[in-house]
Formats: sequence, C-alpha cells, structure tokens
Amino acid sequence: DIQMTQSPSSLSASVGDRVTISCRASQSISTSLNWYQQKPGKAPNLLIYGASTLQSGVPSRFSGSGSETDFTLTISSLQPEDFATYYCQHSYNIFWKFGQGTKVEIK
Amino acid sequence: EVQLVESGEGLVQPGGSLRLSCVASGFTFSDHYMDWVRQAPGKGLEWVGRIRNKANSYTTDYAAPVKGRFTISRDDSKNSLYLQMNSLNIEDTAVYYCVGLSHDSRGYWFHDYWGQGTLVTVSS
Repeated sequence: DIQMTQSPSSLSASVGDRVTISCRASQSISTSLNWYQQKPGKAPNLLIYGASTLQSGVPSRFSGSGSETDFTLTISSLQPEDFATYYCQHSYNIFWKFGQGTKVEIK
Repeated sequence: EVQLVESGEGLVQPGGSLRLSCVASGFTFSDHYMDWVRQAPGKGLEWVGRIRNKANSYTTDYAAPVKGRFTISRDDSKNSLYLQMNSLNIEDTAVYYCVGLSHDSRGYWFHDYWGQGTLVTVSS
C-alpha cells in the first residue's frame, strides 16, 4: 500500500498570505498526485491533477508541484473562500489513497 | 450540469446490511469508471472501491477494509451506481460519496464528479 502523509495537519493564516501544504508518498508515484478542497458539509472539489495541472475553473492562485514522493500545494494569496480542508490523493495504482488532510483556518 | 444523487441513507445495527444508490445525469455515465469514497464523522477521505465501464468488463476493486463485505454494481440503462454493504460494523459509519472518474490525454486519472453524500450510521 502507498501511504500519503500531509503536513501540517492544520495551519492558521491571514487573507493575502502565501500558504504551502506538503504531501509525501511512501514510495514513488511519479506525478500521479491530485489535490482536493473540501468545505464543511460539502463534497470535495478537484483543484489539481497530475501534480501540477490546474482543473478547469480553479483560480490561478492555486498551484501544485513535485514528483516522485514529494509534492506541494501552494495558494499564492489566500482568499476568504479558501478556508477549508485540503487533501492530496495518489492515483498511481488501483488502490487510491488520500492524505489525512490539512485544515486551513483563519488567523 | 453534472449531478450525482445518492440515496439509501440509514441507521443499521452491527452485522446488518444496507444498499446505497446513486443516479447520475449531465454526463455520459456509461463511459465512466465510478468509485465510492467515504468519510467517517470528523475524519478524512477513504477510497472504498471502483467499478469500471463496459469496455473494461465492469471489473471491480475494493479497499482492504471492505473487501468481501461490500459489492459495487451499476446499471448503465438507468445511469445508476450501487453499493451493497453487508456485515456492517461501527467503523463503517460514514458519509458515502458516489464519485465519477475522468482522465486526461496523458493518462492522469482523478475524481471529477462528486455526489452530495449520504450518511450511513452503524449503531446498536
């Protein structure tokens, strides 16, 4: 099983801040890495796939990078609507796994 | 507009069974692989299982915690996905999401379409 580990588990930030979330895979997954945003009581929403491809309709302040085992989601300038929980997910093999999530809270 | 609407929410005793349904609209359901993903209260997301399309023989795969207890099926004529859950235990308590997969031309796969989720509670 490929395990996904996100850090930090939570963070506090202010509107306008640059925010970085890390995701590490327990083995190489090339660039088969997706990022999702989830707001309370709602289904997750795809932000980035293939480690760095922005899903259609997602604001350009979101970006993704990385390969093999280490990946990063960056929000260049945090907006009020970005306070949410973010999950990474690998799609490298049949058994997709999510990271445990990173909750972005208002400072 | 893409819509996935789950139903079958309920309270069931440990050891019991429940069947969830999901009706899709707004996209060509029959072309897509479909997953179930669950989220225990206050916890993260967990992939449950997958059913592929007709071109891939409707094959299925399951996460280890549910293998042998859960069965995914689909009826493309009704644009519907199902999750039959047997031998339920307390750890299966979660919101269950019906999810459609997509992929791009480079072969990257992702969860593209999500339902609103339906709550399954296992309790005595």
